[in-house]
Amino acid sequence: RKEVEQDPGPFNVPEGATVAFNCTYSNSASQSFFWYRQDCRKEPKLLMSVYSSGNEDGRFTAQLNRASQYISLLIRDSKLSDSATYLCVANTGGFKTIFGAGTRLFVKA
Amino acid sequence: DTGVSQDPRHKITKRGQNVTFRCDPISEHNRLYWYRQTLGQGPEFLTYFQNEAQLEKSRLLSDRFSAERPKGSFSTLEIQRTEQGDSAMYLCASSLLLGSGAGELFFGEGSRLTVL
Repeated sequence: RKEVEQDPGPFNVPEGATVAFNCTYSNSASQSFFWYRQDCRKEPKLLMSVYSSGNEDGRFTAQLNRASQYISLLIRDSKLSDSATYLCVANTGGFKTIFGAGTRLFVKA
Repeated sequence: DTGVSQDPRHKITKRGQNVTFRCDPISEHNRLYWYRQTLGQGPEFLTYFQNEAQLEKSRLLSDRFSAERPKGSFSTLEIQRTEQGDSAMYLCASSLLLGSGAGELFFGEGSRLTVL
């Protein structure tokens, strides 16, 4: 079993749609969680951290459920520019940062 | 440019040859990571340095792989006797230690390896 698992995707949505990505992690010792975004043929870049209380950044909302070892990312009012791969990330104490396989999002006009 | 830089960006080699990649992290960052990424997959953790010490090495890293970070600055990743299965993008990332937590990883643009 992979340490971080994500919806396989791809997700194809029209502009303006709301889309949700799910992620589970297997290591209960994981302490920090993140969503990274990776554009085609580019390096991953941090989108947002995920906090236990949930957090929001504009159209993006991240949630963490430690009991279920589950992380989510909600994108509201999707834009064409949101088309990318979204990577769920878990950190098990300081240095071991594990990425999921990523979920590809295509936003269509 | 003060970001993470990697060299070379592309490397084509024949099976059995050795290759070496270099990573120059952001200057004040004390953590350095190597990841490998293949098409359709997320980055796979290979190894990690805190300053010059290699603190973690993935089971994915066979004896043909070795990484160094002399003086806690730049790092090199060497692959000996390359195999076609080594073809991938090799990503370097750096971060700044924030207590016991994880800081944001800043990635380089990667070194793409093709083994013929």
